[in-house]
Amino acid sequence: GDSVTQMEGPVTLSEEAFLTINCTYTATGYPSLFWYVQYPGEGLQLLLKATKADDKGSNKGFEATYRKETTSFHLEKGSVQVSDSAVYFCALSPPGANSKLTFGKGITLSVRP
Amino acid sequence: NAGVMQNPRHLVRRRGQEARLRCSPMKGHSHVYWYRQLPEEGLKFMVYLQKENIIDESGMPKERFSAEFPKEGPSILRIQQVVRGDSAAYFCASSPPWVVAGELFFGEGSRLTVL
Repeated sequence: GDSVTQMEGPVTLSEEAFLTINCTYTATGYPSLFWYVQYPGEGLQLLLKATKADDKGSNKGFEATYRKETTSFHLEKGSVQVSDSAVYFCALSPPGANSKLTFGKGITLSVRP
Repeated sequence: NAGVMQNPRHLVRRRGQEARLRCSPMKGHSHVYWYRQLPEEGLKFMVYLQKENIIDESGMPKERFSAEFPKEGPSILRIQQVVRGDSAAYFCASSPPWVVAGELFFGEGSRLTVL
């Protein structure tokens, strides 16, 4: 079945550091790919998405590119802020089933001032 | 994201008791989804409901678990005769009738602990 694998955490960075959070997936066909973020005390919210190969999703300075050849969707940000401290979830949905998301375990990011 | 309201936030039950988790979707949303996150795992899809209808329950355990979304009131996830393995975080999400690819709005989750 479909699966999403995220790098192990937690991750602690200093403010303005470069961030990469790895995500790889296993799925049949061409799934849609997502990054969700959960800030402290809040529910998960969609951060960015990509629906086909080579698409780049971007939002709030974060980017991720849908790489079909490496089945990856790594999340990057050039300069993190303390306010980026949160739990980040990579997820996919199979073609035609937009609501049936498969999530990775999530990774906690802490950014120090 | 204060739109999707879940309660209780934390629930403790003894083995054999019943657990009821409630979810009020965002205003204007008629679709509700329940996901479960077991310790050290990602969120797993359980069930997708519209008002008075179960659309997809392929992720629901076959026994003891049920979900409803009545015409009036919140969606309810009910777990009968809980066991320790039911300890998890249960997340509810909602969407409007026109679901944009994967764009669900989640609540903060309800954490069930079974003693």
